[in-house]
Amino acid sequence: EAQVTQNPRYLITVTGKKLTVTCSQNMNHEYMSWYRQDPGLGLRQIYYSMNVEVTDKGDVPEGYKVSRKEKRNFPLILESPSPNQTSLYFCASSIREDGDSYIHPNTGELFFGEGSRLTVL
Amino acid sequence: KQEVTQIPAALSVPEGENLVLNCSFTDSAIYNLQWFRQDPGKGLTSLLLIQSSQREQTSGRLNASLDKSSGRSTLYIAASQPGDSATYLCAVMWNKLVFGAGTILRVKS
Repeated sequence: EAQVTQNPRYLITVTGKKLTVTCSQNMNHEYMSWYRQDPGLGLRQIYYSMNVEVTDKGDVPEGYKVSRKEKRNFPLILESPSPNQTSLYFCASSIREDGDSYIHPNTGELFFGEGSRLTVL
Repeated sequence: KQEVTQIPAALSVPEGENLVLNCSFTDSAIYNLQWFRQDPGKGLTSLLLIQSSQREQTSGRLNASLDKSSGRSTLYIAASQPGDSATYLCAVMWNKLVFGAGTILRVKS
């Protein structure tokens, strides 16, 4: 079954304790992305990756890191979580429609994971 | 600034009614537009993807149209059912993907 898998689904942690949210897709997609969803602010992009070893900042990258060492995995790292990072996080993946272009990520249909609800105390 | 606006913010209809959800965007130079459904506490499920060269896409009871010149897309749901109750999100791809705030739909039985 084609899917995007995130772990953990729920996490409560404390300020400053490093954590990683994993994301894995089994569709051989080039494009992967992380979003956070907050009431009243909608979905905002944190980071995205157009292929292995290619990552770029989205709209709200501060406080986050990512890596793309393998095509299927795109972990989100919070080195020193703070309460303002309490949110619902989504990972998504897609094929790329623009061949080898690295100028803009024209994606196809986006597939989302189930979400990871993170609370930082 | 590239923005996506969805109207109405919430909609409540009786079962069986045909309905239209609206999405407008500020810059017509889009790559594609995608409609999603989100159930409470769940991830987003892609419903329809319309490439910039297309005018509409259909899937079952859903039909999405795209008018780039006017900066609008509509999602038409025929013969609505209680199971259609969810939040519907429109997302537009420019050099990045920008989401609207969504329309919360409730279909009453």
